[in-house]
Formats: sequence, structure tokens, C-alpha cells
Amino acid sequence: DAGITQSPRHKVTETGTPVTLRCHQTENHRYMYWYRQDPGHGLRLIHYSYGVKDTDKGEVSDGYSVSRSKTEDFLLTLESATSSQTSVYFCAIRGLAGGPDTGELFFGEGSRLTVL
Amino acid sequence: SQKIEQNSEALNIQEGKTATLTCNYTNYSPAYLQWYRQDPGRGPVFLLLIRENEKEKRKERLKVTFDTTLKQSLFHITASQPADSATYLCALGPNNQGGKLIFGQGTELSVKP
Repeated sequence: DAGITQSPRHKVTETGTPVTLRCHQTENHRYMYWYRQDPGHGLRLIHYSYGVKDTDKGEVSDGYSVSRSKTEDFLLTLESATSSQTSVYFCAIRGLAGGPDTGELFFGEGSRLTVL
Repeated sequence: SQKIEQNSEALNIQEGKTATLTCNYTNYSPAYLQWYRQDPGRGPVFLLLIRENEKEKRKERLKVTFDTTLKQSLFHITASQPADSATYLCALGPNNQGGKLIFGQGTELSVKP
């Protein structure tokens, strides 16, 4: 168990409203990632973080922002949700706590977002 | 641009047979390649990693090959079981620390009893 939880697990919202998804980890991992998964596209990286207050964009970052004010939490915000952001969002952390970094990711259970 | 392609069609095989899944990539020189399993409604789970200087890796009934000349990885499940039914994702990793993994779209495997 990599100690990673996402909230909320399901959310339905309306176009134009702000939405924040939370990813929480309990094992002091440095690297955290937000992916979205859509049929036919697989997993696509939105943003990632390599430390507190250190973040960078992925391949599909438009319309999303992130924040990491403490090691354990990585927040993904949709400032003004659109229907194209309906998706399943996965948070991931990298590596085993205290173990060698082999680049493997451990994923949360996902947050299913529907924008009407 | 970088591109990863996995078998686009779902793979249906009989229990006990070997399942072989393909991952091809272009415009990329990965330092390593990973395979993940994903069950419906769940997050992906890491299975195996193979580095660019390795030809083959095994773990129990799983075997992965990595051919950097062909830009291809093959993922084999021997003596397949219905419990192996899932979607399998390949992912490429770069050489730098904290590097961003690029995922394929996945291949759905169904093992019939």
C-alpha cells in the first residue's frame, strides 16, 4: 500500500464552476503527478511536482493549475470547468518510500469528474 | 512528436495459452520501459520495468522484451488465467530524474476459461 488517496472520488459539476481535486500521500514521496484518462487516449500527464512549491506542466496542462504547499498534498484545480474536462483523474507518486528509485509510479484510485 | 502504440484491438485468448501484447514507439529514446495492469474502475498497478540495456526481464509468469532497434517491447503472460483479464499499459521513461512517463493507450486482454 503506497498510502495515496484521492478526493473526491466522484463529482458532478456544471460548466464554468471551479473544481479542486486533492491527492494525499502519507510516505513523504518527492514526486507527485496528475494524469487524466480518456477512452482512446490513455493516460496523459497534466502537471507534476518534484517538491514543495515545485511544479511543472505536462502535455495537457491548459485549463488546469496545481499547488503543492506541503509534501503530502498535491491539488489539481480547474478554474472554470468545461465539458472537455469530463474525465477520470489519477494522482500518482513515484517510487517506494525508502527504496531505490526505479521510476515506477503508484496510482490512486481515481476521481471521476463529470462536467455538465 | 513522441508516439506510443499498443495493440488497438482487444485480445481474446483461451485459458492456458500465452498472451502476447505489443508496444511500439516512435520519435523517442527511452531509458526504460514499464508495464502496468489496470482493472476496471481502478488505478494502474506497476508490473515490470526493463531498462534500455536489458533485452529481457521475467517475473513469475510474465516476460518482457525490449528491442531498442525495432523500438518495440513485447509483454508475454504464459499459462494465462481468467484472472489475468485486464487492460495492460506500457509506459516509456526518460533518462532524467523525476522524468515524465509517457503512456500508451492500453490493450484489453480477455482470457476465457
